[in-house]
Amino acid sequence: DTGVSQNPRHKITKRGQNVTFRCDPISEHNRLYWYRQTLGQGPEFLTYFQNEAQLEKSRLLSDRFSAERPKGSFSTLEIQRTEQGDSAMYLCASSSPTSGRAGELFFGEGSRLTVL
Amino acid sequence: GESVGLHLPTLSVQEGDNSIINCAYSNSASDYFIWYKQESGKGPQFIIDIRSNMDKRQGQRVTVLLNKTVKHLSLQIAATQPGDSAVYFCAENIKGNTPLVFGKGTRLSVIA
Repeated sequence: DTGVSQNPRHKITKRGQNVTFRCDPISEHNRLYWYRQTLGQGPEFLTYFQNEAQLEKSRLLSDRFSAERPKGSFSTLEIQRTEQGDSAMYLCASSSPTSGRAGELFFGEGSRLTVL
Repeated sequence: GESVGLHLPTLSVQEGDNSIINCAYSNSASDYFIWYKQESGKGPQFIIDIRSNMDKRQGQRVTVLLNKTVKHLSLQIAATQPGDSAVYFCAENIKGNTPLVFGKGTRLSVIA
């Protein structure tokens, strides 16, 4: 399967703990995005990378959130000192600006976080 | 702030009927629009896109209409099938270079 892969698919944690999600994009895609989705809502943009450079961060990305893409391939999203309000689906997507549909994002299945 | 939104949160249609899902956008600078389908527990999947220099685009059983005058986007699904049951989102960006902004979504339920 050469799609976007996310791990873990589900994570249950206690408030105050740190969690980390990993995303492996489609190999030829140089852009990688993180979105957050809560029940009944559309995905909300968090941040995106072009290669290893983090180009934009949403105001939703508080200082407890950090994302990295050290080698321009996979990316990690870490949430420190989790709060119940962090419970959501974290979606990763990748894209290639040279594709025919430059704005199209290819999404992974998501990592669902539940903070107790 | 400017955002993409939807008129109806839920839509129920009989199997075999046509479905129309609407979307209003407010960012006049947006020039690229995509409809995504999201099934339960899965990530959004691309359905069809349209650029602002077009009014209509057709795919297999789906048609997207863009009315720039009133900033309105619609997705038409012909001969709706049970497998079409999902949440549908419209999304927009500018020249494919800005992150996609998603609306809240419409849940489509197909009645057999």
